[in-house]
Amino acid sequence: GQNIDQPTEMTATEGAIVQINCTYQTSGFNGLFWYQQHAGEAPTFLSYNVLDGLEEKGRFSSFLSRSKGYSYLLLKELQMKDSASYLCAVSIRDDKIIFGKGTRLHILP
Amino acid sequence: EAGVTQFPSHSVIEKGQTVTLRCDPISGHDNLYWYRRVMGKEIKFLLHFVKESKQDESGMPNNRFLAERTGGTYSTLKVQPAELEDSGVYFCASSHRTGGGYTFGSGTRLTVV
Repeated sequence: GQNIDQPTEMTATEGAIVQINCTYQTSGFNGLFWYQQHAGEAPTFLSYNVLDGLEEKGRFSSFLSRSKGYSYLLLKELQMKDSASYLCAVSIRDDKIIFGKGTRLHILP
Repeated sequence: EAGVTQFPSHSVIEKGQTVTLRCDPISGHDNLYWYRRVMGKEIKFLLHFVKESKQDESGMPNNRFLAERTGGTYSTLKVQPAELEDSGVYFCASSHRTGGGYTFGSGTRLTVV
């Protein structure tokens, strides 16, 4: 079966740093995505990791360890607008992406 | 470029009725996907079109769900007859090439009462 685990909710303070972890056990692996989703809106693409290591993109970074089935999304200099759900998703083959349940991130002023 | 457009944004129907959801992918995207999120659960794959052909429909819950993509452009997802457990948010996504990142639509929130 397919299993993607991430924390249900997290809370952080404006200006701080937060790390959202994701572990996965899937039947295949072609890459790992992180999406951001604000309530009532479309999930929007944040990052894609296919090789081990850290990918940095502005305030957001994503890390992958394929041997450990582990990824994290790191958000720096948190802003109020970063309050959203963050979805970890694994591409198990070219045409199918499996999603975790998402982590709801609350930012406090 | 215009994004993925879904219509309607919300739909409330009675159990037993029929509802048709529409998705207009980004122009030129051959790959079109339907996903669904029911309350408290993760977003789950329903099916994948490559142009007008169904590449993978393994996620379709049952035969009350029918997806079409005539002409390889927009797609419709019909639920007939709708049941209470069909309530959720139905997302459409498209991509230019298989294996690439998706662009999602804003979803259709379906409520069956």
